[in-house]
Amino acid sequence: DIQMTQSPSTLSASVGDRVTITCRASQSVSYWLAWYQQKPGKAPKLLIYKASSLESGVPSRFSGSGSGTEFTLTISSLQPDDFATYYCQQYNNYWTFGQGTKVEIK
Amino acid sequence: EVQLVQSGAEVKKPGESLKISCKGSGYSFTSHWIGWVRQMPGKGLEWMGLINPEDSDSRYSPSFQGQVTISADKSTNTAYLQWSSLKASDTAIYYCVRPSHYYDTSGSLRLGWFDPWGQGTQVTVSS
Repeated sequence: DIQMTQSPSTLSASVGDRVTITCRASQSVSYWLAWYQQKPGKAPKLLIYKASSLESGVPSRFSGSGSGTEFTLTISSLQPDDFATYYCQQYNNYWTFGQGTKVEIK
Repeated sequence: EVQLVQSGAEVKKPGESLKISCKGSGYSFTSHWIGWVRQMPGKGLEWMGLINPEDSDSRYSPSFQGQVTISADKSTNTAYLQWSSLKASDTAIYYCVRPSHYYDTSGSLRLGWFDPWGQGTQVTVSS
C-alpha cells in the first residue's frame, strides 16, 4: 500500500497569507496526485489533478507542484472562503488519501 | 450536468443489514466506474472499493474486502453499497464518487481522480 503523509495537520493563517501544504508518498506516484478541499458538512471538491493541473472553475490562487514522492499545494493569497480541510490523494496504485490539513483562522 | 445523488441518512442497530444507493445522471452510466469513500466522524477519507456498472466487475480495498458489497443496476443508473451485519464502527458518512479516465505515460487508459462526488449518506449504527 502507498501511504500518504500531509504536513502540517493544522495550519493557522490570516487572510492574504501565502499558504503551503506538503504531501509525501511512501513510494513514487509519478505525478498521479490530486488535491481536494472539504468544508464542514460538505463533500470534498476537486481542486487539482495530475499534481499541477487546475480543475475548471477553481481560482488561480490555488496551485500544485511536485512529482515522485513530494508534492505541495499552495494558496497564493488566502481568502475567507479558503478556510477548510485539504486532502491529497494518490491514484498511481489504487487510491490513498493523506490524513488532511485543516487551515484555520489565526 | 454530471451528478451523483445519494439516498438519505440511515439509523440502524448493530447486526442489521443496510443498502444505500447512488444514482448517476448527466452522463453514460455504463461508461464510468463508480466508487465509494468512507469518512468516519472527525476523520479523513478512505477509499473502499469500486464497480464497473457495465459488467459489475468490482474491486475492493483490502481494508473493506469481505466487510461490504458493492453492486450496480445499469437499468436504473444506480450503484449500491451494502452491509449484511452492521457494527457501531460502521458509523460514518459514505460518499459515492466517479473516477476520471486518463492515459498514463505508456498510453494505457486508467482510472484517476474522483469527480464528481455524491452529497454523502450519513449512516449511524447504535443500540
